[in-house]
Amino acid sequence: KQEVTQIPAALSVPEGENLVLNCSFTDSAIYNLQWFRQDPGKGLTSLLLIQSSQREQTSGRLNASLDKSSGRSTLYIAASQPGDSATYLCAAYGGQSGYALNFGKGTSLLVTP
Amino acid sequence: NAGVTQTPKFQVLKTGQSMTLQCAQDMNHNSMYWYRQDPGMGLRLIYYSASEGTTDKGEVPNGYNVSRLNKREFSLRLESAAPSQTSVYFCASSVTGEQYFGPGTRLTVT
Repeated sequence: KQEVTQIPAALSVPEGENLVLNCSFTDSAIYNLQWFRQDPGKGLTSLLLIQSSQREQTSGRLNASLDKSSGRSTLYIAASQPGDSATYLCAAYGGQSGYALNFGKGTSLLVTP
Repeated sequence: NAGVTQTPKFQVLKTGQSMTLQCAQDMNHNSMYWYRQDPGMGLRLIYYSASEGTTDKGEVPNGYNVSRLNKREFSLRLESAAPSQTSVYFCASSVTGEQYFGPGTRLTVT
């Protein structure tokens, strides 16, 4: 079964810092990896999707990379803002899990003014 | 486009009662999913439907049934609710593996 791990579980940074969230997965035969944002009491918002053939994706201040061979993905947030405070989830799709998205437990980010 | 919609948003049930959670998507996606989210456990797949007319069990299917009514709608039924089914339930749909989530249903079973 695909196991997805996110480190750290929680992170607090002052506004303006650049930061990296880490995600690792055990089955490298994935189709893609997706990063989500979840605000308290809300649903999941898709941030970035990296196909298995890609190395990275960028959207605004967000950059996600994927290294299938080592089973790792990182989400880089540049110039963090208080509005970035949320829980960030990564999810691996495919491999032996077939159609399932396997989620990590998330990194809870707090950006302080 | 409304995306993925779920009803109801909140529900309180007594043990043994039944209910159906509704999900609909207007993106013409083939695949649809039901997840539950619990503190410390993350999101876990209950059932999924790869296409209209097909459904398959996920990681935690016990106590649930699903119906893929048509391409747009995928419902989740609790026949006899138990306190262990207290959770937040999310529906999702996908195309080429990218999944889009609904706003969730917060269910409490007393």
